[in-house]
Amino acid sequence: QLQLQESGPGLVKPSETLSLTCTVSSGSISSSSSYWGWVRQPPGKGLEWIGNIYYSGSTSYNPSLKSRVTISVDTSKNQFSLKLSSVTAADTAVYYCARDRALYGAFTMDVWGKGTTVTVSS
Amino acid sequence: QSVLTQPPSASGTPGQRVTISCSGSSSNIGSYTVNWYQQLPGTAPKLLIYSNNQRPSGVPDRFSGSKSGTSASLAISGLQSEDEADYYCAAWHDNLNGWVFGGGTKLTVL
Repeated sequence: QLQLQESGPGLVKPSETLSLTCTVSSGSISSSSSYWGWVRQPPGKGLEWIGNIYYSGSTSYNPSLKSRVTISVDTSKNQFSLKLSSVTAADTAVYYCARDRALYGAFTMDVWGKGTTVTVSS
Repeated sequence: QSVLTQPPSASGTPGQRVTISCSGSSSNIGSYTVNWYQQLPGTAPKLLIYSNNQRPSGVPDRFSGSKSGTSASLAISGLQSEDEADYYCAAWHDNLNGWVFGGGTKLTVL
């Protein structure tokens, strides 16, 4: 059963860069039918898609975050990563990584990590 | 403000049937399939319905989904106390070239 696990600092200072890694286990990040993405959820609010990446390195980002986001992949470690620069308190959220897989002819975020809480504060 | 529109809350008594709506546009629901997620308190979202009306293995058949035009619905029949959770719809969005979500519906089992 594929599992995803987020890791990274739980506290980031304003104006600095948030860095998270998602480790994929019991499955290959190089699967041709999957993308790998990030979603966040501010406290008490809904879900916001950040972006995703294919194992080849091809990326897609939420336009509202595009200028500050970089998603990368390391196939040798079966990991993909998120960097969000110039963070503010508005970036405080639970960050989830998820697999975006082709199911029944369409893509679906079907497996999610448990999430990691990131607080932006000095 | 979310791209997809859901009612903020819904409620029902055990055994009842409830529906949750999700409204979008021709750029998202009108052109792509809809997925539904269940989020229990303090946990990650769990895929409940994909491709409008397909249930992943392990999801009870009490949960069903449908789509018509630029709107979709999630129906829960035989409501149970453990169904109390937040429910989100999601669809791909053309112009954004990414996923968009509804604002979420908090389901209360009375």
